[in-house]
Amino acid sequence: GESVGLHLPTLSVQEGDNSIINCAYSNSASDYFIWYKQESGKGPQFIIDIRSNMDKRQGQRVTVLLNKTVKHLSLQIAATQPGDSAVYFCAGMVYNQGGKLIFGQGTELSVKP
Amino acid sequence: NAGVTQTPKFRILKIGQSMTLQCTQDMNHNYMYWYRQDPGMGLKLIYYSVGAGITDKGEVPNGYNVSRSTTEDFPLRLELAAPSQTSVYFCASRPGAIYNEQFFGPGTRLTVL
Repeated sequence: GESVGLHLPTLSVQEGDNSIINCAYSNSASDYFIWYKQESGKGPQFIIDIRSNMDKRQGQRVTVLLNKTVKHLSLQIAATQPGDSAVYFCAGMVYNQGGKLIFGQGTELSVKP
Repeated sequence: NAGVTQTPKFRILKIGQSMTLQCTQDMNHNYMYWYRQDPGMGLKLIYYSVGAGITDKGEVPNGYNVSRSTTEDFPLRLELAAPSQTSVYFCASRPGAIYNEQFFGPGTRLTVL
């Protein structure tokens, strides 16, 4: 079946350090993945996406790595800031069901000043 | 553009009551979705629509109904509210191509007592 899961429910980092949030997916989950950031009381906000024909994609201070061999993806945040504190979700798109997203449980990132 | 808007923001229902959660998008997106998010969990798909007049069930449709009479609106109906439907509900939309991100509304927090 389809599943997407995150490895750690919480992650605490020092301001200025790099953060790495990990996610695993099952065989049939998707060939397109999105990372979302969710702040308290708000809806998920798009951070970055990656297609399965790519290994790496970079945005502003964020990088997503996709390892199809072990079915794993990660989100790297450079120079983590207090404003990065939030819950981060990876999601795989299942495009034969209207493009629905399968979400992992989320990792709560706390940034210590 | 306002993006995806949802009303109400908060609602308390008694067991057995009914209500409609409203969702509107002004981006002319074909695809729309309803998700629910239980505490500490990722989002789960309730229903989705690939265009006006077309809807289909997601992972957790029991106890809900939807309609899509226009491109802009995608209301979610709870007929007989139950405590298990206490959750935060998110509406989302995307243009329709396979790899487009989903844009989320701010959510409706529903409590059933």
